[in-house]
Amino acid sequence: NAGVTQTPKFQVLKTGQSMTLQCAQDMNHEYMSWYRQDPGMGLRLIHYSVGAGITDQGEVPNGYNVSRSTTEDFPLRLLSAAPSQTSVYFCASSSDRVGNTIYFGEGSWLTVV
Amino acid sequence: KQEVTQIPAALSVPEGENLVLNCSFTDSAIYNLQWFRQDPGKGLTSLLLIQSSQREQTSGRLNASLDKSSGRSTLYIAASQPGDSATYLCAVSPLLRYSTLTFGKGTMLLVSP
Repeated sequence: NAGVTQTPKFQVLKTGQSMTLQCAQDMNHEYMSWYRQDPGMGLRLIHYSVGAGITDQGEVPNGYNVSRSTTEDFPLRLLSAAPSQTSVYFCASSSDRVGNTIYFGEGSWLTVV
Repeated sequence: KQEVTQIPAALSVPEGENLVLNCSFTDSAIYNLQWFRQDPGKGLTSLLLIQSSQREQTSGRLNASLDKSSGRSTLYIAASQPGDSATYLCAVSPLLRYSTLTFGKGTMLLVSP
């Protein structure tokens, strides 16, 4: 039972490069979301999705793009990486049933130089 | 805008002590509140989830309470152990976007043998 799987775990990018952080879940969850965690700032919501084909912005969406073509996958795209996007990124998923908790992936450590 | 505050930011206790972690939030229109544990370099593990209509939840040595009207939650850890050392995060789901979370900055707990 894999749960929420994120790849890559570590990545170094140069300023201006683009890349995609992958997130997959095998629990048939409708809801998926991306957070970034920075020292002193806590976790902040970037984008989220309530189902295939439906996405919306969170608190800090600038510089990121998402799509949800399948229930299982929710990739996060960095369009033109900036040093301010150096962070730890977490993907999460949950079902719409009352009382269901939100499950997190192990995180992706991204450094932009 | 919802704001979640956790006090204290850090706590160091000897093994065996009972301890209380505090969480407060500014907007009482929440769907639920969750407490998470995060170990260094790892993802988040859900400990307890309290629906907005509930007052408390218990799991083993952990007990979480919720007072929605005053915007407060506490996480009580009984008979602390060195293995409890981690960062504890409080997060609330808003009523209108309950698939997402707003996090506090966490309490870093160290339990010494």
